[in-house]
Formats: sequence, structure tokens, C-alpha cells
Amino acid sequence: NAGVTQTPKFRILKIGQSMTLQCTQDMNHNYMYWYRQDPGMGLKLIYYSVGAGITDKGEVPNGYNVSRSTTEDFPLRLELAAPSQTSVYFCASTPGGQGSYEQYFGPGTRLTVT
Amino acid sequence: QQQVKQSPQSLIVQKGGIPIINCAYENTAFDYFPWYQQFPGKGPALLIAIRPDVSEKKEGRFTISFNKSAKQFSLHIMDSQPGDSATYFCAASMGGYQKVTFGTGTKLQVIP
Repeated sequence: NAGVTQTPKFRILKIGQSMTLQCTQDMNHNYMYWYRQDPGMGLKLIYYSVGAGITDKGEVPNGYNVSRSTTEDFPLRLELAAPSQTSVYFCASTPGGQGSYEQYFGPGTRLTVT
Repeated sequence: QQQVKQSPQSLIVQKGGIPIINCAYENTAFDYFPWYQQFPGKGPALLIAIRPDVSEKKEGRFTISFNKSAKQFSLHIMDSQPGDSATYFCAASMGGYQKVTFGTGTKLQVIP
């Protein structure tokens, strides 16, 4: 199993540009999450999904959109990039059901908006 | 009510010392309290977790102490090693799968 994979690893965007951060998991997990990590601020939840076709907002959803058409994929869309979206973005997944609530994180995407 | 407050922000200990990281929460509906470890350039990884029906949990050199009445929990690392140098995050959630609230992180450095 590759676990949770994210692409790209790094990206520089100009203000106003758009992009999609890709996230794929091969563990057949129901739950998937997008976080952003800023220095000294911990991880903030952007959006999460409890299964294909179902998504919900987290703590900081403004400026982002998500979709979940398959169990495996959970892309994060940035429209009209702003400098405030400069951050490291992590995707994570959890199996759901009885048992462990452990979140499995991807390696992250470092995004700079200038 | 969704906040998890973590301290200290950074910590330096000698090898063999016992660093302690503290977290406090407000929402009494939280029922799952994990700690994640993150090395530079990597995503966080689950280290150990506890539920509020127990006061302590040990896994190897890592121990969580949980005080339900004070709404506090802490991570202790016994016989700390330079390889433990990382950032540690506490977290809390209701029901485990829904919104997880993370603390702000503690950067630990263990010096030889």
C-alpha cells in the first residue's frame, strides 16, 4: 500500500491563479480530510468527507472547494489564490467504523502564493 | 469551546530526560485524545491516544496522563533520545471521525 499520496510536493502560484491539490489513498478509507499547517498554529481543518459524494466544511473553508467522487480521491481546489493561502497542506484519511480513529497523513504540499 | 491549548511551544531536554507536554480542552463532549508526532518535511503520525475513561496509557517510552475533572492531558517521554526530536501535537475529537481539533504543537529538541 502506498497509503496517502499527495501531488504536487511544492508549488508557487501567482495571486489570482487557481490550482488543484491532489490526494489519493489506497486503503479504502471512508473518511478523508484536508488540513493546512501554518507555523505556530498547528493544523486547521479545511474540509472533510465521510464518504464518496459527501463533504462538509471544517474550521477554515473560505477560498477552498472540495469534491469526493470516488472513495480513493479527495482533491482540494484553490480558486483565486491569495497570499494568505501560503501554507503546507496535508491530506489525511481514517477507515471509519469500529476501532481505531487513527488519521493517516500524506507527505504534504508546500504552497507559496506571491 | 473547540479549542485545545498546548504548552510549551518549544522544549529542550538532555538525552535521558523526561519532557512533558501539556494540553487543556474546554469541550466536555470530546471523547478521543490522540498525540501525533511530526518530523521535519513529513506528515504527522499517530503516536498514542487515550479515551476519557482511563487516567493513564503507556506505549513503550510514551505515556499519556489524563485528568478528566481538570480537562487536561499530558504526554511524557521517558528516557528521551535525540531521535525523539520532533514536533508533537495533541488533539481532541468527538466520535473520532468527525472534526478533529489540534493543539498548536510543541517543538522538542533532545540534545546528546
